[in-house]
Parts: sequence; C-alpha cells; structure tokens
Amino acid sequence: NAGVTQTPKFQVLKTGQSMTLQCAQDMNHNSMYWYRQDPGMGLRLIYYSASEGTTDKGEVPNGYNVSRLNKREFSLRLESAAPSQTSVYFCASSEPGVGGGSEAFFGQGTRLTVV
Amino acid sequence: EDQVTQSPEALRLQEGESSSLNCSYTVSGLRGLFWYRQDPGKGPEFLFTLYSAGEEKEKERLKATLTKKESFLHITAPKPEDSATYLCAVQARNRGGGYNKLIFGAGTRLAVHP
Repeated sequence: NAGVTQTPKFQVLKTGQSMTLQCAQDMNHNSMYWYRQDPGMGLRLIYYSASEGTTDKGEVPNGYNVSRLNKREFSLRLESAAPSQTSVYFCASSEPGVGGGSEAFFGQGTRLTVV
Repeated sequence: EDQVTQSPEALRLQEGESSSLNCSYTVSGLRGLFWYRQDPGKGPEFLFTLYSAGEEKEKERLKATLTKKESFLHITAPKPEDSATYLCAVQARNRGGGYNKLIFGAGTRLAVHP
C-alpha cells in the first residue's frame, strides 16, 4: 500500500551541483507529474508524463529535465542547481476518474536546499 | 487566464466552531474541482472531486460544494486533528487536446484550538 514513493526526503546541494530525484508509483497509473511548492505560491507543475514514453513541459520547466523510465518510475534531474531551486518537490500520479477528472495522488515530498 | 484563488489564507477556529473555506476559480472548460488536505511535512492527501455545479460530497466533518464560479469546504464542529492546510485545484480542459492541466490555489491554513 505504498502509493507514490519519493527519494530522497531531504537534500542539500551546493550551487552548480547536479542530482536526480526519484519517484515510483504502484497504482498502475498512466500519468505522472513533478511539482514544486513554494510558500504562498501553491503547487506549480514542472513536467508531466501523460503516459509511458511521453514527457512535456509544465509551468516552470527551466533548469530541470525528466525521464519516464517505465510506467512506474518518473525521475527529475537538476543539471546545475541554483538557489532559486530551493523548494519542496512533489511527485504525483493519476488516472482519469469516472467523471473525466484526474485526481492526483502525491508522494511525501523532497525538501531540497541549494546553498 | 485560468486561475484559482482560496480564501482566507489562514483561519483559526475553536473546537466545535463551524466555518467554511472558499475556492474561487476562473477556467475555460472545467473537468473537475479537487480538494486536498496537506499536513506539515507531508504531501497533499486527496479528499474530494466535484464535477458539476450543484454537486456535494461529504466525508466525516467535511462537506464540499460546487457552483459555477466557486467551491466551499464546510467544516462542521471541527476538532484539533482537522488542523491542516486545505488545497483546492481545478482541472481545465486543454482545447488543443492532450494534458488537462491541474491548477492549484495557494491554500488555506486551518488551525483548530481546543
């Protein structure tokens, strides 16, 4: 009954370092997402993957890349971290509901600090 | 422009004091409106989906309603364990096809005191 699992939970990076955030879901959902959450700004979409093999930019994609490794896994990479990327990152997955809307299920988050 | 606005930003209640949280939205082609609860240090937890004006959903002390321009989350006789941030999100229809984007409000921080 894991749902959406993110690793790591916490990370501190130096400016210019790179890292990959991992996400896996066990609900057999086709769609997966990466969001960032900053105080007072709500959740903002970075990238999404509507299905295995496809990825698209969201609202704030600059400085990030993604890989949809298979149906279960969707990773987010920061190639050269900047202090502006200090945030809480959430992975989510969804499948269309009966009414057509796609309620998303979220992981516990990765708290990233770039110094 | 598609937009979601939640009010108030923060709400403090006494245990048992009922109130409502508001989510106002402007979106072209609503596919669904979602309510989430988020506890400190955790990811958002799904509560409700509403699809059309007039629809209502209930879960324990929470009741969500939807009109054509806004949604309310009514909290009846709240308890301290209801303290959390409540997020509203709308899913807009993408006229070009493909992903139907999910737009979040900034949330309402609810504190219920004994």
